[in-house]
Amino acid sequence: QVHLVESGGGVVQPGGSLRLSCAASGFTFSNYAMHWVRQAPGKGPEWVAFIRYDGGNKFYTDSVKGRFTISRDNSKNTLYLQMNSLRGEDTAVYYCAKDHGETYYSESIFDYWGQGTLVTVSS
Amino acid sequence: DVQMTQSPSTLSASVGDRVTITCRASRSISSWLAWYQQKPGTAPKLLIYKASSLESGVPSRFSGSGSGTEFTLTINSLQPDDFATYYCQQYNSNSRTFGQGTKVEIK
Repeated sequence: QVHLVESGGGVVQPGGSLRLSCAASGFTFSNYAMHWVRQAPGKGPEWVAFIRYDGGNKFYTDSVKGRFTISRDNSKNTLYLQMNSLRGEDTAVYYCAKDHGETYYSESIFDYWGQGTLVTVSS
Repeated sequence: DVQMTQSPSTLSASVGDRVTITCRASRSISSWLAWYQQKPGTAPKLLIYKASSLESGVPSRFSGSGSGTEFTLTINSLQPDDFATYYCQQYNSNSRTFGQGTKVEIK
């Protein structure tokens, strides 16, 4: 079955950097767009970034543009999120999520989620 | 950005009740709406997409309706496992926004 496992979270000072990883299994990773979605404590989810199945297109929510970079390695079935210039408002559980649609039919519907990794930005 | 507003924020209900949650979009999103269920300490779970399509494996007591700017999630005959927080999410625009959530609690 589909399995997504995030890693790389932790405590970082404002202005610092972290790289999150998401190991995928149980489906043909290279056929699906992937997303990062975050959830601040006590808040609703917030979509962060999208990457097309082949890495050809990437989109970001406005608040992270220029600071975060989504990437993928289809040979390793792994999704990444490089986070630079971190701010307090970036504190959240970060989830990787699989898109519901295959290849060109990505829909930005999140049908499988990992367990999440906590990022805390604090001095 | 398209803003999504859910009501109510909290809903108290009993097992067996019929429950309805509303989600309103700040502008038309056609039928590009999904619903998720989230329990404490776990990731959200997809229930409904394209406003009314039931995700595989989701019990048929869950249903969705609506289009344009107003949508509803209905749970027929609420079960103990259904006490959770529910979120709507639009995917019409690149911003892909969620509502603030509706917590369904035991009366």
